[in-house]
Amino acid sequence: AQSVTQPDIHITVSEGASLELRCNYSYGATPYLFWYVQSPGQGLQLLLKYFSGDTLVQGIKGFEAEFKKSETSFHLTKPSAHMSDAAEYFCVVSAGGTSYGKLTFGQGTILTVHP
Amino acid sequence: DAGITQSPRYKITETGRQVTLMCHQTWSHSYMFWYRQDLGHGLRLIYYSAAADITDKGEVPDGYVVSRSKTENFPLTLESATRSQTSVYFCASSGRGQETQYFGPGTRLLVL
Repeated sequence: AQSVTQPDIHITVSEGASLELRCNYSYGATPYLFWYVQSPGQGLQLLLKYFSGDTLVQGIKGFEAEFKKSETSFHLTKPSAHMSDAAEYFCVVSAGGTSYGKLTFGQGTILTVHP
Repeated sequence: DAGITQSPRYKITETGRQVTLMCHQTWSHSYMFWYRQDLGHGLRLIYYSAAADITDKGEVPDGYVVSRSKTENFPLTLESATRSQTSVYFCASSGRGQETQYFGPGTRLLVL
């Protein structure tokens, strides 16, 4: 069974600084990988996804993530944080195939942005 | 285009009562899902449906019942609510062959 670990429960950055949210997964093959963002009291919005191909994935709001198979990682980065980025971020893995639709969520990382 | 909606957005009920949470999507997506979100557990899959009249259990199905008589609706029923079912419930949908799921705004349920 697949699993996903987000080692940082809470990250604080200053506005304008770069940010990195870490994600490591466990799965026997190449999984489908997602990052979702949840603003307070809101649903989950898809930031980006990786299925195959180019390992550097561009998403919305200036975010990107790089799939590194050797490190089983899919870290989310942004070169310059904005106050509006403050939210909770979830790394998600799906095995696909016969496990279609069965997403496994990480515990989430809360991002705080200081002015 | 409303996308995916959930109702009610907030609900307070008492232990032992039956509660139904509604989910409606306008994309004609084949797949629909119900998750619960709890502190320390992230989101966990309760039930999912691959099409009308086809449903299957997820990770935490006990105490819940689902039905899917129409493609666009996927109600979740708590037959006899318990305090442990206090949570935020999210509905999601995805198209056939598409791995990406789209989430509703959530329903906050408090069981007293």
